[in-house]
Amino acid sequence: DAGITQSPRHKVTETGTPVTLRCHQTENHRYMYWYRQDPGHGLRLIHYSYGVKDTDKGEVSDGYSVSRSKTEDFLLTLESATSSQTSVYFCAASGGREETQYFGPGTRLLVL
Amino acid sequence: ELKVEQNPLFLSMQEGKNYTIYCNYSTTSDRLYWYRQDPGKSLESLFVLLSNGAVKQEGRLMASLDTKARLSTLHITAAVHDLSATYFCAVGLMKTSYDKVIFGPGTSLSVIP
Repeated sequence: DAGITQSPRHKVTETGTPVTLRCHQTENHRYMYWYRQDPGHGLRLIHYSYGVKDTDKGEVSDGYSVSRSKTEDFLLTLESATSSQTSVYFCAASGGREETQYFGPGTRLLVL
Repeated sequence: ELKVEQNPLFLSMQEGKNYTIYCNYSTTSDRLYWYRQDPGKSLESLFVLLSNGAVKQEGRLMASLDTKARLSTLHITAAVHDLSATYFCAVGLMKTSYDKVIFGPGTSLSVIP
């Protein structure tokens, strides 16, 4: 798992509340990513980071924001959670474009 | 826009048999990845393929890349139950300095005795 942890691992929240998911890595990887995984859709990129304070949008970024103030931490915030954001969220990290991405254990989020 | 397809999406095979999973993609790419995911678990990296004609093997799995055909294959030799999982290919976007990839939908493999 290349030292990638996610917290919380499970969360139940209500529609309209803000939610922050945390990804922490210990391998000093430059690039970090947030994906969501839904049945029938594979993995879809939400946001990614290519360095401290350098982030950009992925395929499905609406309703999400990210921050990376330290190399090791990448935060994903659902600004006002909706039921369509119920999903499994994976964080990943890599050292560069010719290296594999290492994935965290995932966070199961249920928005009621 | 890069699109990635996998065939088949579902595969049930007997132990001891051979089979191939195909990954097709729609635009030029210079790198391709294969991952494995067990139910309820995270993704595990299997192979990174970086050039046309690249072939990598690990145990009963062998992956190859044909960038001209925009095709990668994951060949399973003499399947065993432990190989039951979902397999994803992911294709890297060109002209990016970071490792942005697009994932295929996954192939759910079930190996039965």
